[in-house]
Amino acid sequence: GDSVTQMEGPVTLSEEAFLTINCTYTATGYPSLFWYVQYPGEGLQLLLKATKADDKGSNKGFEATYRKETTSFHLEKGSVQVSDSAVYFCALETSGSRLTFGEGTQLTVNP
Amino acid sequence: DAGITQSPRHKVTETGTPVTLRCHQTENHRYMYWYRQDPGHGLRLIHYSYGVKDTDKGEVSDGYSVSRSKTEDFLLTLESATSSQTSVYFCAISGDGRIYGYTFGSGTRLTVV
Repeated sequence: GDSVTQMEGPVTLSEEAFLTINCTYTATGYPSLFWYVQYPGEGLQLLLKATKADDKGSNKGFEATYRKETTSFHLEKGSVQVSDSAVYFCALETSGSRLTFGEGTQLTVNP
Repeated sequence: DAGITQSPRHKVTETGTPVTLRCHQTENHRYMYWYRQDPGHGLRLIHYSYGVKDTDKGEVSDGYSVSRSKTEDFLLTLESATSSQTSVYFCAISGDGRIYGYTFGSGTRLTVV
């Protein structure tokens, strides 16, 4: 079945460092791909998405490119801030309009 | 706001008792979902609905039932709560996920003692 694999965390960075969180997927067909962010004590918020191969989603300085050849959707940000500390989830939309999530990656950014 | 609310936000219940969680939306979206979040597992789908009285099972549906008698409300029931059902439960809604993504509620933290 469809599945999502995220890099293991937690990830700890210093402010202004470069961030990469790896995400690969297994799916039939052409799923849509998403990154969600969860701040402490809150629900999940959509960070960005891409619906077809080579699409680049971007928001708040974060980017991810839908790579069909490597079945990947890695999240990147050039310069992280303390306020980016959160849990990040990669997800894909399976047939039948359902989301399948990765395990989540905890990011901590230190000043 | 996002137009989705969950109630209650927190609940402590005893093993063997029935529990119902409520999800309410004001967006008139077709799809509604219940997920549970546990450390090391991300979010896992319990049940979902694709219309009034149309529901289906997700990957972790054992011990849970759902009902949707109105577009705006989706109820999750634990018929006889067990300690393994201690978790954070999230409701989500979607009109067209590819265009708008999915919107999540703030969650219900359920503890079964």
